[in-house]
Amino acid sequence: QKEVEQNSGPLSVPEGAIASLNCTYSDRGSQSFFWYRQYSGKSPELIMFIYSNGDKEDGRFTAQLNKASQYVSLLIRDSQPSDSATYLCAGGYGYSGGGADGLTFGKGTHLIIQP
Amino acid sequence: GAVVSQHPSWVICKSGTSVKIECRSLDFQATTMFWYRQFPKQSLMLMATSNEGSKATYEQGVEKDKFLINHASLTLSTLTVTSAHPEDSSFYICSARAGGETQYFGPGTRLLVL
Repeated sequence: QKEVEQNSGPLSVPEGAIASLNCTYSDRGSQSFFWYRQYSGKSPELIMFIYSNGDKEDGRFTAQLNKASQYVSLLIRDSQPSDSATYLCAGGYGYSGGGADGLTFGKGTHLIIQP
Repeated sequence: GAVVSQHPSWVICKSGTSVKIECRSLDFQATTMFWYRQFPKQSLMLMATSNEGSKATYEQGVEKDKFLINHASLTLSTLTVTSAHPEDSSFYICSARAGGETQYFGPGTRLLVL
């Protein structure tokens, strides 16, 4: 059974600090992982994705994947009040070209950046 | 690039009526589109996978006769909620693949059934 777990929060972080968001997944068949940001009443926006073990950096964001521990994280450096949102972690099975499964989402972590 | 639109953005209807929601990939061709549903304070739940030119694949517990999906072209998928009831009120979001694994989401459609 595919499950993605996240702490719902809220996670409160002072402006300028590093926000650390965590996610665990149950299905070892999951190959790709995505972080989306969702503002209240809006649809998710892609932040970044990661396939390989280790770190992947994109601007202020760093995704980390540890397949042995089935653990994914997202670090946000120099947090800004505009980063306040719900962050969704999602797992996928990799693109097979044959219309594979959609993404399995966690419930999201509500992040608050305090000015 | 990779823009997905949905129409309408919100709809209010009476119980028992049918509602059609359109999902379009504006600047790319999408062989696969996905339909999700999100209830308040819940995460997105995949309803079905829509493949161009073939029948949709529904997730367990989703009634295919109630949620009709048509993917007639590489840029358009539609979801029709038939005989809608108040419990169908939700935020319906589609996504499309722009090649590879990444899914890009439409802005969503809020459905309220009275």
